[in-house]
Amino acid sequence: QVHLEQSGTELKKPGASVKVSCKTSGYPFFNYNIHWVRQAPGQGLEWMGWIHTYNGDTKYAQRIQGRVTMTTDASTGTAYMELRNLRSDDTAVYYCARDAEGGDYWGRGTLVTVSS
Amino acid sequence: EIVLTQSPATLSLSPGERATLSCRASQSVGSSYFAWYQQKSGQAPRLLIYATSNRASGIPDRFSGSGSGTDFTLTISRLEPEDFAVYYCQQYGYSPLTFGGGTKVEIK
Repeated sequence: QVHLEQSGTELKKPGASVKVSCKTSGYPFFNYNIHWVRQAPGQGLEWMGWIHTYNGDTKYAQRIQGRVTMTTDASTGTAYMELRNLRSDDTAVYYCARDAEGGDYWGRGTLVTVSS
Repeated sequence: EIVLTQSPATLSLSPGERATLSCRASQSVGSSYFAWYQQKSGQAPRLLIYATSNRASGIPDRFSGSGSGTDFTLTISRLEPEDFAVYYCQQYGYSPLTFGGGTKVEIK
C-alpha cells in the first residue's frame, strides 16, 4: 500500500529555515520521482519543484529558486524539502506527491507557519 | 509558463445535477499530460483524471474528462453529496508544472 508520511507542523520566524520530510513506503523508492507542492491559506496549489529519486536531479520553480533544496535519503525512502530565508508569504501547507500521472499519491501535508 | 484558467470560479448545483468544469491553457498542452484533482477542506488533493480522460484508481465513473489542445473539461454526470469540493486542473507536460486556480462546486 503506497503511503507518503510527512513530518509535523512547524512554526518558524522570518529568516529561518525549515526542512520538511516525506517518508515513502509501499513501492520501490527509485521508481518514482517526488514533487513538492504548497498551498497558502485559502489559496490554490503551487508547484515548487521535483527531485529525481534515482540520480538526485532537481528542478525548482523559478519563484523559489535559490532558497529551496530538495534531497533524498534512499536508505530510508525519504524525500526532503528545505526552504531557507523564510518570509511570511511562505506560510502554507507543503505537500509531497509521487510523480505518476501528475501526482497519484500525496502526503497529508505539513503546515509551516512563518511569524515573528 | 503555461497558465491554466478555470471557469467558473464557483458552481452552485444540487445533488443529482450535472457539473461541467472548464480549464483553458495559455498554450497547447499534450493530452497525455493533463490532470484533474479534487480537494476537500483540510485534505490533500486527490487525483481524479490523468492524461485528459483516464480515471485514476478507485474513481467512480460519474467523473469523466475530455479535451485537447488548450481546452479541457471535467464532467460529473450526477453530483453526489461527497462531490462538493474544489477541483483543480494541472498540466504536467511542461516545466514548471502548473495548476489552475480552482473551481469550487458548492451545494445550491
